[in-house]
Amino acid sequence: GAVVSQHPSWVICKSGTSVKIECRSLDFQATTMFWYRQFPKQSLMLMATSNEGSKATYEQGVEKDKFLINHASLTLSTLTVTSAHPEDSSFYICSAIDPDRGIYGYTFGSGTRLTVV
Amino acid sequence: SQQGEEDPQALSIQEGENATMNCSYKTSINNLQWYRQNSGRGLVHLILIRSNEREKHSGRLRVTLDTSKKSSSLLITASRAADTASYFCATDANGANNLFFGTGTRLTVIP
Repeated sequence: GAVVSQHPSWVICKSGTSVKIECRSLDFQATTMFWYRQFPKQSLMLMATSNEGSKATYEQGVEKDKFLINHASLTLSTLTVTSAHPEDSSFYICSAIDPDRGIYGYTFGSGTRLTVV
Repeated sequence: SQQGEEDPQALSIQEGENATMNCSYKTSINNLQWYRQNSGRGLVHLILIRSNEREKHSGRLRVTLDTSKKSSSLLITASRAADTASYFCATDANGANNLFFGTGTRLTVIP
């Protein structure tokens, strides 16, 4: 079945530094990937839609200069949290759509727990 | 916000009992999906129901959809301790590819 690999699974960084999170589709090509953010005991909030070869589409209230998304290939999207602050600490999850499975093809990565100290 | 709401927020039952979770959403949809999340982990797809379907079964899972009320329910029958997790509904609001998640129900099944 379709697999999405997300790396790292957890990261601790100092305030003011940048952190890059990778999302890879391992056995399918994903023209579209999605990035979500989840606070403890809360739901997933869609941050942005990542489109291969073009600019990401950000949801309202998400700072695109803060959360840089690059989708340079059909199997890789990256989310870079720039100048991280403690309030950026959260669980970040990516997902991708396997085009061969259509609406049944949403596959999620295992998430990245970011802690900014 | 296009986020849906789920109730109850938390549910605690004994093993063997049935668990029912409800989801309400705000916009028209093409389909609604239910996902499961173990603590601090990724999401696992459980079941998808299309907007023209009213009920769907998969193993111990039963999902209903009422588009007139913009609501769905997930029933887990004969629950097991391993069913302990958070459950989220997700909709493709207005037919877009992206998914919007409900607030989730934290289910605890007591052995």
